Amino acid sequence: QKEVEQDPGPLSVPEGAIVSLNCTYSNSAFQYFMWYRQYSRKGPELLMYTYSSGNKEDGRFTAQVDKSSKYISLFIRDSQPSDSATYLCAMSVVQGAQKLVFGQGTRLTINP
Amino acid sequence: DAGITQSPRHKVTETGTPVTLRCHQTENHRYMYWYRQDPGHGLRLIHYSYGVKDTDKGEVSDGYSVSRSKTEDFLLTLESATSSQTSVYFCAISDSGGAKNIQYFGAGTRLSVL
Repeated sequence: QKEVEQDPGPLSVPEGAIVSLNCTYSNSAFQYFMWYRQYSRKGPELLMYTYSSGNKEDGRFTAQVDKSSKYISLFIRDSQPSDSATYLCAMSVVQGAQKLVFGQGTRLTINP
Repeated sequence: DAGITQSPRHKVTETGTPVTLRCHQTENHRYMYWYRQDPGHGLRLIHYSYGVKDTDKGEVSDGYSVSRSKTEDFLLTLESATSSQTSVYFCAISDSGGAKNIQYFGAGTRLSVL
């Protein structure tokens, strides 16, 4: 079983829709949770990160962490064609870990 | 791409030949990482470095070696390339090796081993 599971999609929605992207994980020691966005043939870029449980909002994006359920989500409001990309979740632990564990990535397409 | 340059950006090589990929950073970050990205597997860590001449293995290190002689450069070498090493390779950097390990990625190198 992978430490981090992410539905690879693909996910296709109309412009303006609310998008929900999700990851589940098995390691209860994970403390930092990140979302990266990767456009086609580009490197991943950091979108948001959160520490422990709770919500964090940045413009049209909201990251949510539920540690009791080992479940994290990224919500995109008023989705735009420019949001079409692959979204990867990533997680790290508190004590001296020097690596991130990534989900497989979800390919998202926003249709005009 | 956060002051990270990967070279070459594309490479085609033959099975059995040695290949070296370079990652150069201008951010003076201590930590550097090499990942490979394959369909169905996401990003997998090959090797990482926590300082000059300090490196360690990741989850898919077999067939790869690395070197870091300067803070700004991290080299990934495939000693004898195989077709299974056809992939997209990403370098990442971080100024923290602890839990808040925010990593920034380069643009990637597409490697084809024929």
